[in-house]
Amino acid sequence: QSVLTQPPSVSGAPGQRVTISCTGSSSNIGSHYDVHWYQQLPGAAPRLLIFGDTNRPSGVPDRFSGSTSGTSASLAITGLQAGDEAHYFCQSYDSSLGGSRVFGGGTKLTVL
Amino acid sequence: QVQLQESGPGLVKPSQTLSLTCTVSGGSIRNDQYYWTWIRQPAGKGLEWIGRVHGSGYTDYHLSLGSRVTLSVDISKNQFFLELKSISAADAAVYYCAREGTTEVAGRTHRYYMDFWGKGTTVTVSS
Repeated sequence: QSVLTQPPSVSGAPGQRVTISCTGSSSNIGSHYDVHWYQQLPGAAPRLLIFGDTNRPSGVPDRFSGSTSGTSASLAITGLQAGDEAHYFCQSYDSSLGGSRVFGGGTKLTVL
Repeated sequence: QVQLQESGPGLVKPSQTLSLTCTVSGGSIRNDQYYWTWIRQPAGKGLEWIGRVHGSGYTDYHLSLGSRVTLSVDISKNQFFLELKSISAADAAVYYCAREGTTEVAGRTHRYYMDFWGKGTTVTVSS
């Protein structure tokens, strides 16, 4: 069972907007530790998508955006494309686990 | 562009020790700004952080792995290593090495994210 909770799956049609939630607790997201997001295409390694809640690394399209509120975070993807079909993971830092980096269980995005 | 490449045996017998190497190119492990991490992913499951090592040799480990795990570095070879003792079926996974980044944006320092990843190496546990 993951420390951060994500929905197992979300879906949307091309061009639509989808959001993926990531729910934590007072020892991670709720303590204002950064939330980061990764995209994992089938058979590939994860790729950093968002760092520090809202920041995009160079090369990541602005269709991807992150936000946080309280003990939760969200990843929004606008203008859905077929190539966005992948697993998405959130990650943070947890002070109650000896400083472990913790991940969500992952959300499979299906582009209909 | 930093690149990482995992190497090691794909098959390990139960109760033995798993040893993996990550070779870094395009950047130096000696750089004080970064930590070097191991993360694993059992088949069809999520990601689990194993631990991190600094070029100085400083380490942090996931509490659940306890004393079974040891991370180390070889600055001269620009490599870092994972040793996991007393392997069981629960340790079968794809093992990734990655760089833990840190950066400042608008006066705020952001930490603990993995900005460069290796392609991963599959470890099977079987006698």
